[in-house]
Amino acid sequence: AQKVTQAQTEISVVEKEDVTLDCVYETRDTTYYLFWYKQPPSGELVFLIRRNSFDEQNEISGRYSWNFQKSTSSFNFTITASQVVDSAVYFCALSEGISSGSARQLTFGSGTQLTVLP
Amino acid sequence: DAGVTQSPTHLIKTRGQQVTLRCSPISGHKSVSWYQQVLGQGPQFIFQYYEKEERGRGNFPDRFSARQFPNYSSELNVNALLLGDSALYLCASSRIQGARSGNTIYFGEGSWLTVV
Repeated sequence: AQKVTQAQTEISVVEKEDVTLDCVYETRDTTYYLFWYKQPPSGELVFLIRRNSFDEQNEISGRYSWNFQKSTSSFNFTITASQVVDSAVYFCALSEGISSGSARQLTFGSGTQLTVLP
Repeated sequence: DAGVTQSPTHLIKTRGQQVTLRCSPISGHKSVSWYQQVLGQGPQFIFQYYEKEERGRGNFPDRFSARQFPNYSSELNVNALLLGDSALYLCASSRIQGARSGNTIYFGEGSWLTVV
């Protein structure tokens, strides 16, 4: 069975600090996708990134960067020079079953509430 | 283009009542999924529909049902409401089913259901 663990329930930083959100996953599949979504108070889940299990290349997009390590089953997310607008709940998610063609659902972690103070 | 739209945005129901939640996917998207998000937790998968057929179902009781219409919009129905059904119900749409490359899954703002 697939499982996503976000051990950090809440993180509070001061603006311009760097912050890393941790994500550890469990899956029996060799082919799967990992995701990060951002959820502001409005409730909508905003897609940030998707990474497939064959692509361990780290990615940087503006102030965001992601570190995917299959050896430790981790997919961590770093925000550089955080801003107040980054305050939200961040979810890591996993979709498996792709090798069997049955990828139909996302399994989410419990989320990390990030608060960036001015 | 409009994003995923859901209605109603907020509603209050009494235990034992029935509720219908509606979702319109992004134009051109044929896959719709429903998720339940209880306060303080991550979303939990309820259903996935693709081309008007149920393609996946999460671990929810039979009180939960859904359908997809010819225009790809969808409804989620919950019967005999319990206090524990109070949650944010999220609809997600994508062009095809599954989380494959090039098939981003987009979420709506959800319907906040309170059962009293």
